[in-house]
Amino acid sequence: ETGVTQSPTHLIKTRGQQVTLRCSSQSGHNTVSWYQQALGQGPQFIFQYYREEENGRGNFPPRFSGLQFPNYSSELNVNALELDDSALYLCASSVPRGGLNTEAFFGQGTRLTVV
Amino acid sequence: ELKVEQNPLFLSMQEGKNYTIYCNYSTTSDRLYWYRQDPGKSLESLFVLLSNGAVKQEGRLMASLDTKARLSTLHITAAVHDLSATYFCAVDNDFGNEKLTFGTGTRLTIIP
Repeated sequence: ETGVTQSPTHLIKTRGQQVTLRCSSQSGHNTVSWYQQALGQGPQFIFQYYREEENGRGNFPPRFSGLQFPNYSSELNVNALELDDSALYLCASSVPRGGLNTEAFFGQGTRLTVV
Repeated sequence: ELKVEQNPLFLSMQEGKNYTIYCNYSTTSDRLYWYRQDPGKSLESLFVLLSNGAVKQEGRLMASLDTKARLSTLHITAAVHDLSATYFCAVDNDFGNEKLTFGTGTRLTIIP
């Protein structure tokens, strides 16, 4: 158990719909990163939030957006879902210490299926 | 753009044998991670390697890092069936900010 929890664990959406995924970070961790893992692939970095601000973004279109709340929990929103958005979405939390972040700990993931 | 390559992509080996998974990356970094992933599950952290020459061992797994060669290895000793999983290496491409670039993964199958 890493202390990082994600919800829901599974969901099915229709192409064109919007979805919100949620992540509660490990206690004391103020940095949350989101990753997309397509079937048979390695995870790909979507973006990171630090103290409620976006702190870096990977090669994902603007319809992927996020939020971080004062309690450091986070949401990933995807608009206009496409079939290729079907994937396991992982969040990871970490905290800066001495100029570097601690190791990132991953949640159990949300399996999104777009039909 | 940072690229992380693993080989082999697939590895089938008999119990009791030794093997090594290789992870090459394309730009300077001195933070490298190894993760295990079981089917349908999340990522389990195995090793964090933070400096050149770092070597860590846990049970039948040993990981090392050569930052000059931009190479990390995950060595499996006397494999057992429970080690069957997909193994990923990941490199921190933002100097400590934990924005990870993952390799393609190595699917390891241990045959009894």
